[in-house]
Amino acid sequence: AIQMTQSPSSLSASVGDRVTITCRASQAIRSDLGWYQQKPGKAPKLLIFAASNLQSGVPARFAGSGSGTYFTLTISSLQPEDFATYFCLQDYNYPRTFGQGTKLELK
Amino acid sequence: EVQLEESGGGLVQPGGSLRLSCEASGFTLSRYWMLWVRQAPGKGLAWVANIGHDGSLKNYVDSVKGRFTISRDNARNSMYLQMDSLRAEDTAVYFCVRDSDYSDKSGIHYDVCDIWGQGTLVTVSS
Repeated sequence: AIQMTQSPSSLSASVGDRVTITCRASQAIRSDLGWYQQKPGKAPKLLIFAASNLQSGVPARFAGSGSGTYFTLTISSLQPEDFATYFCLQDYNYPRTFGQGTKLELK
Repeated sequence: EVQLEESGGGLVQPGGSLRLSCEASGFTLSRYWMLWVRQAPGKGLAWVANIGHDGSLKNYVDSVKGRFTISRDNARNSMYLQMDSLRAEDTAVYFCVRDSDYSDKSGIHYDVCDIWGQGTLVTVSS
């Protein structure tokens, strides 16, 4: 199975900050990677698909980049509603595998 | 509104059984592959099983093979996970997920897990 290594596991930031989260795949996965936001008790929400494509309705402050084995999610200017957990998911093959998650907390 | 809603979770003793349901609304379930994903307390997400459009193709993670059965009833717009011989390590929130075909600006197609339910908690404990 492809291993997804996500970092950092937690991050403290302030409203207006720019933050970046990374995921590394143990083998090349083209651009078959999605980024998701998860809030407690809520359904995970797709933010970015195919590494860099913004899902419809997602604010433009979210951006994804990368291909092959290295991927990033950047939030350009944090808003209060962005404090949540973020995870990556490789859609390249089965078993689907996930990053361990990054908990973004208010500093 | 496009959404998925899980039900059927609860507390069960080791060796017991539970049947999870996932009801789809706002879209036609038969057009999509579907997945079950779980998240154990304090742990990351893990794929459990997936099922093809008509239910003829199914895949499972090794740890649940022979114990869990994924199925679907497209006429009811629903998917299921029958869980038998439950173990403590099966304790988790179980999510129902839609697998969709997306294409990027270049026209390249991708499988994308785009819609998730809120999850249902399964606790295996005596």
